[in-house]
Amino acid sequence: EPEVTQTPSHQVTQMGQEVILRCVPISNHLYFYWYRQILGQKVEFLVSFYNNEISEKSEIFDDQFSVERPDGSNFTLKIRSTKLEDSAMYFCASTRRSLEGYTFGSGTRLTVV
Amino acid sequence: SQQGEEDPQALSIQEGENATMNCSYKTSINNLQWYRQNSGRGLVHLILIRSNEREKHSGRLRVTLDTSKKSSSLLITASRAADTASYFCATDAGGSARQLTFGSGTQLTVLP
Repeated sequence: EPEVTQTPSHQVTQMGQEVILRCVPISNHLYFYWYRQILGQKVEFLVSFYNNEISEKSEIFDDQFSVERPDGSNFTLKIRSTKLEDSAMYFCASTRRSLEGYTFGSGTRLTVV
Repeated sequence: SQQGEEDPQALSIQEGENATMNCSYKTSINNLQWYRQNSGRGLVHLILIRSNEREKHSGRLRVTLDTSKKSSSLLITASRAADTASYFCATDAGGSARQLTFGSGTQLTVLP
């Protein structure tokens, strides 16, 4: 069964450093998302992406965050200057059509020290 | 206000019993989805029910939706130890709001 692949599975970074989290969505999917889950808290929406542009973003997704789909295959989330509170599990997801169930990746655990 | 709140927060049952989890939400929705998450792993989509549907089945799963009460329930019949996981409801408001709003989840433990 097709999967959403995320790399790395775990990333440790120093506060203030830039990180790029990578995702390979399912190939025929058109809608892409990033969510995050701080330990012990709810899964939170960050951003949705369709037709090579952001369609929705949450208040969490401030100027420190950006997304790209550089080559029609990868979908990346960049955090420019990480803060301690950015430590979380980051999930990528994709859907073929809007308003259908999402396929999530296994996540990247980001630890900011 | 909180959208997509599940209860109970934790549920422990014996293998073979049925497990029922409930979800309440506050705003209008296009659909409601249930996901499962094993500890430290990704979210797995279980079932989606649209706002014009009242009940849906998939294998051992049965989902109901009551839009007048803004609530949904997930029933897992004949539970197995492998069903042990966290279960989340997530609401999709549709329209331009292309995002899921997740609840806090129910931790289900099925004892062998």
